Amino acid sequence: GAVVSQHPSRVICKSGTSVKIECRSLDFQATTMFWYRQFPKQSLMLMATSNEGSKATYEQGVEKDKFLINHASLTLSTLTVTSAHPEDSSFYICSARDGRQTAPGNTIYFGEGSWLTVV
Amino acid sequence: QQPVQSPQAVILREGEDAVINCSSSKALYSVHWYRQKHGEAPVFLMILLKGGEQKGHEKISASFNEKKQQSSLYLTASQLSYSGTYFCGTENTGNQFYFGTGTSLTVIP
Repeated sequence: GAVVSQHPSRVICKSGTSVKIECRSLDFQATTMFWYRQFPKQSLMLMATSNEGSKATYEQGVEKDKFLINHASLTLSTLTVTSAHPEDSSFYICSARDGRQTAPGNTIYFGEGSWLTVV
Repeated sequence: QQPVQSPQAVILREGEDAVINCSSSKALYSVHWYRQKHGEAPVFLMILLKGGEQKGHEKISASFNEKKQQSSLYLTASQLSYSGTYFCGTENTGNQFYFGTGTSLTVIP
């Protein structure tokens, strides 16, 4: 079945540094990828929708300059948290829609998630 | 934009039934249901497309009323393994996918 790989699964970084999280679709072309953030005991909040070859569409309240999203190929999207601070510590998860299935309502596949801790 | 789920939390004894509701303020193409265990990625349960579809497998089923922009997930004869947080996911015309507020389900022996 379709697989989305997310890396790293856990990362600890120092305050003020940047960290990159990768999301890869392993056996399908992902024309659309989604990035979410989840705080403990809360829902997954959509940060941005990323379409291959174009700029990501950010949700209201999400800082574009802080959370850089790049979807340069049909199998890879990256989220870079720039100048990270402790309040950025969270669970980040990506998902991808199979580009071969153009109709809405098709399965969206999730990565395993990345735990970011900023110290 | 975020769909609202009810109830927020429910505790069941093994074998009891539960219904989780998901309501959106936006017109929907589809509704997806997921279960998430602590610290893990959501696990896909099922998709429902507009058209008043109802789906199910084994003891978990769901319905989608596109006119009301609502979906319900039905869990029958619950098992301990059903414990987790359930999220609906909604797909709208803007190619966006939002998760609901979540429902914590605990099944006790």
